[in-house]
Amino acid sequence: EAQVTQNPRYLITVTGKKLTVTCSQNMNHEYMSWYRQDPGLGLRQIYYSMNVEVTDKGDVPEGYKVSRKEKRNFPLILESPSPNQTSLYFCASSSHLVFLNNEQFFGPGTRLTVL
Amino acid sequence: AQSVTQPDIHITVSEGASLELRCNYSYGATPYLFWYVQSPGQGLQLLLKYFSGDTLVQGIKGFEAEFKRSQSSFNLRKPSVHWSDAAEYFCAVGNAGNMLTFGGGTRLMVKP
Repeated sequence: EAQVTQNPRYLITVTGKKLTVTCSQNMNHEYMSWYRQDPGLGLRQIYYSMNVEVTDKGDVPEGYKVSRKEKRNFPLILESPSPNQTSLYFCASSSHLVFLNNEQFFGPGTRLTVL
Repeated sequence: AQSVTQPDIHITVSEGASLELRCNYSYGATPYLFWYVQSPGQGLQLLLKYFSGDTLVQGIKGFEAEFKRSQSSFNLRKPSVHWSDAAEYFCAVGNAGNMLTFGGGTRLMVKP
């Protein structure tokens, strides 16, 4: 089954404790992206990647890192989480040149709470 | 910079009634426009998209949307709402640089 998976689905952590949220897709998609969803703000793009070893900042990259060493994986790293990073996070993937009639497929989300 | 406004945070309609969800965008060039639906506890699912051509776009689950350049709008419609349509709906605008900007969402509740 074609899908985007994220782990963990739920995470409660404390300020300053490094964490990684994994994202993996099995559709051989070039493009992958991370979003955070906050009430009333919709989804905001954190980082995206056009292909292996190619990443770029979205609207709200501060406090986050990403890497794209393999095509299928796009982990989101919070080196020193803070309470304002408490949010619902979504990973998405798409075929190359996302807006040329290609849909973004979203993962199920990771709910992160930073105390 | 591109932006999307969904003026209605919450909408309640009766089952069987018609639905229109509003979306206004700001973008300098011809926009790429999308509507996504998010059911409780789920990720986002694409309902429909507009890139060019016919301004009335048909999507899945009986939804349609009309692109009106003069009004900078891309409103989502459905002639008869079903209880299973209760969800949150997001309008989004994209550009050729692969930046996708979402509106704040409209939560739809359906009364029996």
